Amino acid sequence: NAGVTQTPKFQVLKTGQSMTLQCAQDMNHNSMYWYRQDPGMGLRLIYYSASEGTTDKGEVPNGYNVSRLNKREFSLRLESAAPSQTSVYFCASSESGGLDRYTFGSGTRLTVV
Amino acid sequence: KQEVTQIPAALSVPEGENLVLNCSFTDSAIYNLQWFRQDPGKGLTSLLLIQSSQREQTSGRLNASLDKSSGRSTLYIAASQPGDSATYLCSREGLIWGAGTKLIIKP
Repeated sequence: NAGVTQTPKFQVLKTGQSMTLQCAQDMNHNSMYWYRQDPGMGLRLIYYSASEGTTDKGEVPNGYNVSRLNKREFSLRLESAAPSQTSVYFCASSESGGLDRYTFGSGTRLTVV
Repeated sequence: KQEVTQIPAALSVPEGENLVLNCSFTDSAIYNLQWFRQDPGKGLTSLLLIQSSQREQTSGRLNASLDKSSGRSTLYIAASQPGDSATYLCSREGLIWGAGTKLIIKP
């Protein structure tokens, strides 16, 4: 089925550990996004990639890095995890920036202890 | 700072009722507004996208409107069903998000 695939679905990290969240889409979309969602809050944009080869900071980029590996894949890396990064992370894609409907992955639930 | 506000935070209604969810935003220079549905433990599903040049969009029992001058968008759900129970979020341009309205439809 066409869509956005995120791995892993669940992860527990110790403070200071690093990890990479993977995201891939098979809809030939140009734009990809990483969000975090905390309880009782809306989504907050971490980083986005308007097109292959470009990445830009969103509202809450500190503590994260991203790589747009190719048109399909957009990864999010936590270099030194902190408890404040405990959250649910969503990847999304759209045909062309914020002008089109978004397709979301099912999320990664990350706990940092 | 641009903000998106959704009121109420939660809503519980009997099956069959027509209902309206509200989304307010600051800054009328908006390109588009999108409504999403989120089921517990799941990702988000885009329901409707309204471009700034449009006033409303319809899909089945759902109708979304956009009034830039008042900074408001509404999602109208006709003849609600238990399967409509979910959290509904609105977002301007995918950049700024409301916290959502948790909707419960009672059988």
